[in-house]
Amino acid sequence: AQKVTQAQTEISVVEKEDVTLDCGYETRDTTYYLFWYKQPPSGELVFLIRRNSFDEQNEISGRYSWNFQKSTSSFNFTITASQVVDSAVYFCALGAGPASKLTFGTGTRLQVTL
Amino acid sequence: DAGVTQSPTHLIKTRGQQVTLRCSPKSGHDTVSWYQQALGQGPQFIFQYYEEEERQRGNFPDRFSGHQFPNYSSELNVNALLLGDSALYLCASSPPNGLYTEAFFGQGTRLTVV
Repeated sequence: AQKVTQAQTEISVVEKEDVTLDCGYETRDTTYYLFWYKQPPSGELVFLIRRNSFDEQNEISGRYSWNFQKSTSSFNFTITASQVVDSAVYFCALGAGPASKLTFGTGTRLQVTL
Repeated sequence: DAGVTQSPTHLIKTRGQQVTLRCSPKSGHDTVSWYQQALGQGPQFIFQYYEEEERQRGNFPDRFSGHQFPNYSSELNVNALLLGDSALYLCASSPPNGLYTEAFFGQGTRLTVV
């Protein structure tokens, strides 16, 4: 069985601060994918990134960066110089096994204020 | 290019009634998955349809059933509604051969059971 843990329920920061969202996972599969999704109040899940289990390179996309550490089963997400528009619920998800079923964490609500 | 579209956006039903939710996948996608997201929780996998058949199912009772049509669109049916079925229902589509690719989500249908 797969499991995703997002221990941070809610984070509040002031605009321009950096913030890191933590994600831990458990799986017995040797091949798997990790995802981050953003869910604004509208409800739609917006895809941010996918990382496969064989690629531990960190990735940076604009103000977003991801740190994948297989040794500690973590896939953390950092937003640099946060903005009010980053306010949303962020979900980490794990895809393993056939049919790309996704197992989600419970989400982290990020509130960025002026 | 239209993304994943779901209808209706909101729905209110009475306990014991039946409901049908609809999903049109992103153009070029042939696999549709359904998720239930209770308030404050992460999405939970219900089932997935591919080639008009249920390919995988999560831990949901038989009251939850689905269908996929030849044009790849899909329906989620819930019978004998319970108060606990109140949730955001998300549809996700994936492209062919997309075992481990990202899933694209619709905006969801918010179901309230009273």
